[in-house]
Amino acid sequence: DVKVTQSSRYLVKRTGEKVFLECVQDMDHENMFWYRQDPGLGLRLIYFSYDVKMKEKGDIPEGYSVSREKKERFSLILESASTNQTSMYLCASSPDPGTREQYFGPGTRLTVT
Amino acid sequence: SQQGEEDPQALSIQEGENATMNCSYKTSINNLQWYRQNSGRGLVHLILIRSNEREKHSGRLRVTLDTSKKSSSLLITASRAADTASYFCATGLPYGGSRLTFGEGTQLTVNP
Repeated sequence: DVKVTQSSRYLVKRTGEKVFLECVQDMDHENMFWYRQDPGLGLRLIYFSYDVKMKEKGDIPEGYSVSREKKERFSLILESASTNQTSMYLCASSPDPGTREQYFGPGTRLTVT
Repeated sequence: SQQGEEDPQALSIQEGENATMNCSYKTSINNLQWYRQNSGRGLVHLILIRSNEREKHSGRLRVTLDTSKKSSSLLITASRAADTASYFCATGLPYGGSRLTFGEGTQLTVNP
C-alpha cells in the first residue's frame, strides 16, 4: 500500500515565522502535490512536482515555495506566515504516466496566530 | 479556477437508502475521479472513469460519465453510517499532465 506521511498533524505558528511542512511517500512516485483546503473552497493546488528538483506553480502559489531534493520528499515552505495561511494542508503523490489516482497524506492543520 | 462543481453541497439520508451525488465540469477531460474524505483526514481515491467510458462499478459504488453534458454522478447503494464523509470529484485534463482539479465536495451524512 502507498503511504504518504506528513510531518505534523497540527501546527501553530506566529505571524512572520518561516514554516516548513514535510511530506514523504514510499512508493517511488514521480509526481507530488501540495494543496490547501478551506471551507467552501474545496482543494486548491499550491505547487506540484513531476521530478526531483522540478516544480510547477499551481493555482495559488503566492506566499509559498517548495523544495524537492529527493524523489520521496516534497517540502512546502511558508516564507513569512500570515493569518490568511491558516488552513488544512494536504500532500499527495501519484505515479506516471498521465493523470492517475492520487494518494493523500493525513493532512496538517496549520494555525497562524 | 474550479473545474468541478458538486451537487448537492450537503445530503442527509437514512441508513439503507441510496445516495446520489453529481459533478459538473467545464472543459474536456481525460478522466474523472471520485474521492472520499472523512472529517479532518486526507482524501482516499474511490474510482476513476476515463473519458471513453460511460459507467463503472466498484462494490456499492456506481459512477456514470456523460461527456456531452460534462457531468458525472456517484451512486452509493445501501448506504451505511460509515459512509458519512465528504465526497469530491476531480478532473484530469487531456494535456494537463499529472494534475487534477477538485470540486468543492458534497457532505454526505448517513443517519443510523
